Amino acid sequence: EAGVTQFPSHSVIEKGQTVTLRCDPISGHDNLYWYRRVMGKEIKFLLHFVKESKQDESGMPNNRFLAERTGGTYSTLKVQPAELEDSGVYFCASSQYGRPNEQFFGPGTRLTVL
Amino acid sequence: ILNVEQSPQSLHVQEGDSTNFTCSFPSSNFYALHWYRWETAKSPEALFVMTLNGDEKKKGRISATLNTKEGYSYLYIKGSQPEDSATYLCASANRDDKIIFGKGTRLHILP
Repeated sequence: EAGVTQFPSHSVIEKGQTVTLRCDPISGHDNLYWYRRVMGKEIKFLLHFVKESKQDESGMPNNRFLAERTGGTYSTLKVQPAELEDSGVYFCASSQYGRPNEQFFGPGTRLTVL
Repeated sequence: ILNVEQSPQSLHVQEGDSTNFTCSFPSSNFYALHWYRWETAKSPEALFVMTLNGDEKKKGRISATLNTKEGYSYLYIKGSQPEDSATYLCASANRDDKIIFGKGTRLHILP
């Protein structure tokens, strides 16, 4: 069974540009989570989808970040316009419905904003 | 304690030696404690999830304990090997299903 996949693995953009990150969860997993780890700090929760609905987006830092999960399958996280402090590793995780404590993580997208 | 704290931040251990590190977490509203092993550019790998006070889990040379009353967990590695080099992440889940991560302990095994 394929795990959680994320694309791209790395992205280097300039301040002010737009970047879209993609996450493909494990097939059949209704729960999808986005996290971010800024260099030297802890992984922080961004938001949680149940199917296509945003269950909790309390961790989204500001309105430059937009997450979507149309159709309840893959999800995208768009950063527009990107700022220097957005640099970090963006992780996606998924879990089966009713099992929030059995999250499987993707390898992350390393975003560098210059 | 409001955050998940891990110590030490970084650790160098001679191959063959045993080691351990600590995770402190909020004991109020606690539900579960997770340990993950993370190598850069790879997916964090779930090692253990523990929920009950006194829980002990073991996976090969790695084991973990949980004290929910005082809010700490230890991760032990016996007979360290080069492949154990990684960042070990601790995460606490509360009853609202919110998971809070620590900053991790970066373990380097020296040949």
